[in-house]
Amino acid sequence: GESVGLHLPTLSVQEGDNSIINCAYSNSASDYFIWYKQESGKGPQFIIDIRSNMDKRQGQRVTVLLNKTVKHLSLQIAATQPGDSAVYFCAETGAQKLVFGQGTRLTINP
Amino acid sequence: DGGITQSPKYLFRKEGQNVTLSCEQNLNHDAMYWYRQDPGQGLRLIYYSQIVNDFQKGDIAEGYSVSREKKESFPLTVTSAQKNPTAFYLCASSITPPGTSHSNQPQHFGDGTRLSIL
Repeated sequence: GESVGLHLPTLSVQEGDNSIINCAYSNSASDYFIWYKQESGKGPQFIIDIRSNMDKRQGQRVTVLLNKTVKHLSLQIAATQPGDSAVYFCAETGAQKLVFGQGTRLTINP
Repeated sequence: DGGITQSPKYLFRKEGQNVTLSCEQNLNHDAMYWYRQDPGQGLRLIYYSQIVNDFQKGDIAEGYSVSREKKESFPLTVTSAQKNPTAFYLCASSITPPGTSHSNQPQHFGDGTRLSIL
């Protein structure tokens, strides 16, 4: 069945370093992927999305990479800041609904 | 500003009581969704609605009910049949349902309602 999972449940990085959060998905028919950021006590906030006809998309300080061959998605955050501390979720489109991964908690060390 | 408003922010339920969580959006979105989030977990889909007066069960619909009488409103009732209702409930909307070939759009979320048992 469909599943979206993350390789690491927690990630700790030094302030100013780049962060890479990974996600594996199992449905090869999925054609749309989204990254969300969720801060404590709040709803998920849209960060960036990518469609399956692309392998890379860049936003402000963020880049999403899609490798359809190995069904892998990653989120790269450049120059990580304290405000980036949150839980990050990937999601894929499948069967008229989004399927969410478990999430990765990103913590920033000063 | 357009957005999704969930209320109340905190809600307490007594044994055997039904409670209703409100979700309103002024984004003119067609589709609306309810998710449940447990501590340290991802989001699980309870119900979703692609259009007014229509809704479908998600992965964990048992013990919940919804209605979609207006485009902008999608209330969720947690019934007494839901034996473990303590969770963070999130409402979302999107301009078109995912899986639509001509456009996949992100879901936009409210800030949630935290439901606890008295």
